[in-house]
Amino acid sequence: NAGVMQNPRHLVRRRGQEARLRCSPMKGHSHVYWYRQLPEEGLKFMVYLQKENIIDESGMPKERFSAEFPKEGPSILRIQQVVRGDSAAYFCASSPYMVATNEKLFFGSGTQLSVL
Amino acid sequence: GQQVMQIPQYQHVQEGEDFTTYCNSSTTLSNIQWYKQRPGGHPVFLIQLVKSGEVKKQKRLTFQFGEAKKNSSLHITATQTTDVGTYFCAGGNAGGTSYGKLTFGQGTILTVHP
Repeated sequence: NAGVMQNPRHLVRRRGQEARLRCSPMKGHSHVYWYRQLPEEGLKFMVYLQKENIIDESGMPKERFSAEFPKEGPSILRIQQVVRGDSAAYFCASSPYMVATNEKLFFGSGTQLSVL
Repeated sequence: GQQVMQIPQYQHVQEGEDFTTYCNSSTTLSNIQWYKQRPGGHPVFLIQLVKSGEVKKQKRLTFQFGEAKKNSSLHITATQTTDVGTYFCAGGNAGGTSYGKLTFGQGTILTVHP
């Protein structure tokens, strides 16, 4: 009965490198959401995906950030050419249906990205 | 866009005291959810409110949704050290195309001193 699985738990990158964050939703969940959290701040919505589709990416920076949720495999949040300001906790959440139908979110343990 | 404001940002209480956090939205909400995040942990769903004026209780926790569906509150009676953490409200958009996106408040960090 695995929950939402995120890896790695901690990721250290140097400026200019690429960061790949992975998220496997709960079994039976086809909706994935990515949130970003800075220390002592709230959760900022980044992107909402269903299998093979990006539904809402209004929270994603226009450059360097991309997300996918392929037919097979985990959802990937990719950050190219990381900068220090990208350091944050990135949480993935999943739900069986879209949140507009009042579904709650199940969060993963997050990936703490540190950019040196 | 929709904004959800939460106050206070920090709250320090002595064990046994009550605690309340408030959530206000700039727009009417379809629903509001509350999450708790323990230090170093991830957000965990507590409850959802959908109806105008709705009140729900979970043991020492009381959740309210305003009549206009633009505000909400979480009240904890007689806090315990296990209540420590950050409490987030998250509002769902009523109409429009922003489906699938909950807007989270900034959270209230609760510290309970034994």
